[in-house]
Amino acid sequence: GQQVMQIPQYQHVQEGEDFTTYCNSSTTLSNIQWYKQRPGGHPVFLIQLVKSGEVKKQKRLTFQFGEAKKNSSLHITATQTTDVGTYFCAGTRTGNQFYFGTGTSLTVIP
Amino acid sequence: NAGVTQTPKFRILKIGQSMTLQCTQDMNHNYMYWYRQDPGMGLKLIYYSVGAGITDKGEVPNGYNVSRSTTEDFPLRLELAAPSQTSVYFCASRVDTAGNTIYFGEGSWLTVV
Repeated sequence: GQQVMQIPQYQHVQEGEDFTTYCNSSTTLSNIQWYKQRPGGHPVFLIQLVKSGEVKKQKRLTFQFGEAKKNSSLHITATQTTDVGTYFCAGTRTGNQFYFGTGTSLTVIP
Repeated sequence: NAGVTQTPKFRILKIGQSMTLQCTQDMNHNYMYWYRQDPGMGLKLIYYSVGAGITDKGEVPNGYNVSRSTTEDFPLRLELAAPSQTSVYFCASRVDTAGNTIYFGEGSWLTVV
């Protein structure tokens, strides 16, 4: 079956440092989504990437979709304590079923 | 605007008991999903539906059943609860495949003892 791997599993950063999480799929994806989940909360949609090589920015967050549409990354510049949470990627080949990565838990040390 | 509403929020079941997790959305979305999330893990798709009367299995459907008699409701049934079904369950919805955003409910914490 389709697998979506995500690294690292955990990341501790000092406030103000940058953070990156990487997502890799065993198969070519039609699109990929990113979510943020706060402890005890539910996943909140951040963005969807569709095109090969696509790069999208949301303030301090930069999302990238690989040229082969099998990998993606999320980069946060100058982390803040409000960035704490687990970041998940979710990929799909068909648009019906989204396969979630295992997530990267981000801790920001003030 | 309520969005996606799940009930109950917390439940403790005994092995072998049955229960239904309720999910309702008021956004007239066609697509609805049930995921489970084990501690420290990502979400696994249990079942999904692309419209009323249509359901399909996801990655981990064993031990569960669903129905979609209306656009709004997508209940998840556990027939014979097992400890392996202890998890957090999330219901989600999306307008269709062209719609980007998947909206999640707040989750249902289920413990089977």
